[in-house]
Amino acid sequence: DGGITQSPKYLFRKEGQNVTLSCEQNLNHDAMYWYRQDPGQGLRLIYYSQIVNDFQKGDIAEGYSVSREKKESFPLTVTSAQKNPTAFYLCASSILGDPDIDTQYFGPGTRLTVL
Amino acid sequence: GEDVEQSLFLSVREGDSSVINCTYTDSSSTYLYWYKQEPGAGLQLLTYIFSNMDMKQDQRLTVLLNKKDKHLSLRIADTQTGDSAIYFCAESIRRDKIIFGKGTRLHILP
Repeated sequence: DGGITQSPKYLFRKEGQNVTLSCEQNLNHDAMYWYRQDPGQGLRLIYYSQIVNDFQKGDIAEGYSVSREKKESFPLTVTSAQKNPTAFYLCASSILGDPDIDTQYFGPGTRLTVL
Repeated sequence: GEDVEQSLFLSVREGDSSVINCTYTDSSSTYLYWYKQEPGAGLQLLTYIFSNMDMKQDQRLTVLLNKKDKHLSLRIADTQTGDSAIYFCAESIRRDKIIFGKGTRLHILP
C-alpha cells in the first residue's frame, strides 16, 4: 500500500520547545516538500528537497529546519524561533525523473498547536 | 508576480452542477491542477491539465482552460454531499514549484 504518511496527526507543544514532524513516503519519489496551511489561506512552501542530502528554502523557511538523510524521509523541525507555529502542516512528494509531470502528492497532514 | 486567484465560497444544490473558477498569472505554466481537501485531511489530486489542452473530462469532472485569459475552471456534474470540501487550483511554475490558490469552499444545499 504505497503512499505518504505523516505522524503524529495531532501534536501539542509548549512555547519555547522544538518539535519534529515526521514525513515518510514509499513511492520512490525524488522530491519532497513541506507546506504550511493556515485557516482561509492557501499553502505556503517551507522547504523542499530534490535529492538526498540537499534541500532548499521555500517562501517561509524562517524558524524551521529539515534534513534529507534518506530518500523516503523528510522530517521537519519547528524551532522555538518560529513566532507563530500553530498551523496545519502538509508534506508532499513528486517524481522529478519525467520533466513533463511535476504532480505533487500529499500526506494526511499534522496539526500542530502551541500551548 | 506569481499568483492564483479563486473565489472563497460556492453554494450549490445537490444534483446541480458546480463550477469553480480560477485565474492565474504565469503564462509559462506547464500544468494546472485541481486538488480537493476534506476537513482535517491532506490534499487529494483530482485532475490536472497540460497547458496545451483546452478541455479534459474525467467522469463527473470537466476542466476547461482558457490560456489566453489565464482562466481555469472545474465543473462537477450532479453534485453530491460527498463533494463538500475545499477545492484548490494550482499552477506549475517550474519542475519543483507549484503555486496554490487559497481554495474555494464548496457547500452543498439539500
